[in-house]
Amino acid sequence: AQSVTQPDIHITVSEGASLELRCNYSYGATPYLFWYVQSPGQGLQLLLKYFSGDTLVQGIKGFEAEFKRSQSSFNLRKPSVHWSDAAEYFCAVGPYGGSQGNLIFGKGTKLSVKP
Amino acid sequence: DTGVSQDPRHKITKRGQNVTFRCDPISEHNRLYWYRQTLGQGPEFLTYFQNEAQLEKSRLLSDRFSAERPKGSFSTLEIQRTEQGDSAMYLCASSLSSRLGEAFFGQGTRLTVV
Repeated sequence: AQSVTQPDIHITVSEGASLELRCNYSYGATPYLFWYVQSPGQGLQLLLKYFSGDTLVQGIKGFEAEFKRSQSSFNLRKPSVHWSDAAEYFCAVGPYGGSQGNLIFGKGTKLSVKP
Repeated sequence: DTGVSQDPRHKITKRGQNVTFRCDPISEHNRLYWYRQTLGQGPEFLTYFQNEAQLEKSRLLSDRFSAERPKGSFSTLEIQRTEQGDSAMYLCASSLSSRLGEAFFGQGTRLTVV
């Protein structure tokens, strides 16, 4: 069955420090992979996506993610975290089976940023 | 275009009552999705439309749930005979079919069943 695992429920980093959020997936075919961010009171916002090609993808707000097929991972990184990055981050995979567009989300990682 | 809008933002209802939520997608988007999110979980897919056609419903979706998109624009999600387990955030998203997975989400409707 298709699934997404985000092993870290909550991460705290200092402002200016680097960040890596982990995501592992289980999928029967070449996946489409996404990272979304959800700030309090805001809708989910797409940070970046991977469909094919270069395995290192750049997104908005200075985020990047690397697809590693051998590890079934799609980890999100940022070299220097800002206080405004505090939010919940969701990894997602899709589409699957015969459907065209619905996503399977992980449970999310909540990021806190220390001043 | 101001993005995906959902109404109401909050709804408190008594168990057994029916509730209806509305979603207005981004105007040029032909796909519309409904998700449900409970505390500590990621969004869970419920159903989606392409234009006015409902193309898929989650197997987890109870028969008490029904969704419509009558003219291929806005959509409504109705829950009949609400139960406490229906308490959740209901999220709507829209996208272009040519850009699969690149969904734009609304802020959601938080339902509390008491």
